[in-house]
Amino acid sequence: DTAVSQTPKYLVTQMGNDKSIKCEQNLGHDTMYWYKQDSKKFLKIMFSYNNKELIINETVPNRFSPKSPDKAHLNLHINSLELGDSAVYFCASSQVIQGITGANVLTFGAGSRLTVL
Amino acid sequence: RKEVEQDPGPFNVPEGATVAFNCTYSNSASQSFFWYRQDCRKEPKLLMSVYSSGNEDGRFTAQLNRASQYISLLIRDSKLSDSATYLCVVSRRNQAGTALIFGKGTTLSVSS
Repeated sequence: DTAVSQTPKYLVTQMGNDKSIKCEQNLGHDTMYWYKQDSKKFLKIMFSYNNKELIINETVPNRFSPKSPDKAHLNLHINSLELGDSAVYFCASSQVIQGITGANVLTFGAGSRLTVL
Repeated sequence: RKEVEQDPGPFNVPEGATVAFNCTYSNSASQSFFWYRQDCRKEPKLLMSVYSSGNEDGRFTAQLNRASQYISLLIRDSKLSDSATYLCVVSRRNQAGTALIFGKGTTLSVSS
């Protein structure tokens, strides 16, 4: 069974459209994330949710709206897509290791490659 | 200064070589450190955590120097299958929660 699954794997769309990427994890983790990896391969955190609550928002444009209906799901909706939104979006989840401050190993999904034309 | 900086690479080495990657981080309050590996067009996967005392996992050795805010990864007896991008990862904690911050990665190419 896939631990962190994202859909769709590939998404090609026109500028100005609205699109969503879905993510689900079956690891029982409390925290989920969205990361963006651009054409230069730089992996940058966008959002983090803990038990359905937003805890990190890395100054991402308002056009990006994450939604977490429950702790196993974190979806990403993008409005008015722009050329610069083309990237691979990775969902991840983590569980803090008990007794170790700040430690949280990430498990990533396979990524969703978004191409905006 | 970027939060996590790595050697630019790429590193091109023959099989059997020993190769070392360096990484520096800017946040002295960081508590957790990792090396992740990312194969071409795949997701990043945990290679190893990095502990203050240094740690080894087979051919891989990670070191942490908190005073210098420096992390290293040493790969001995390189294999073709080690070809990948190696990502240095450092935790950042604020009032809201903890995030893992990734370096840009160093690409390793091992040839026969």
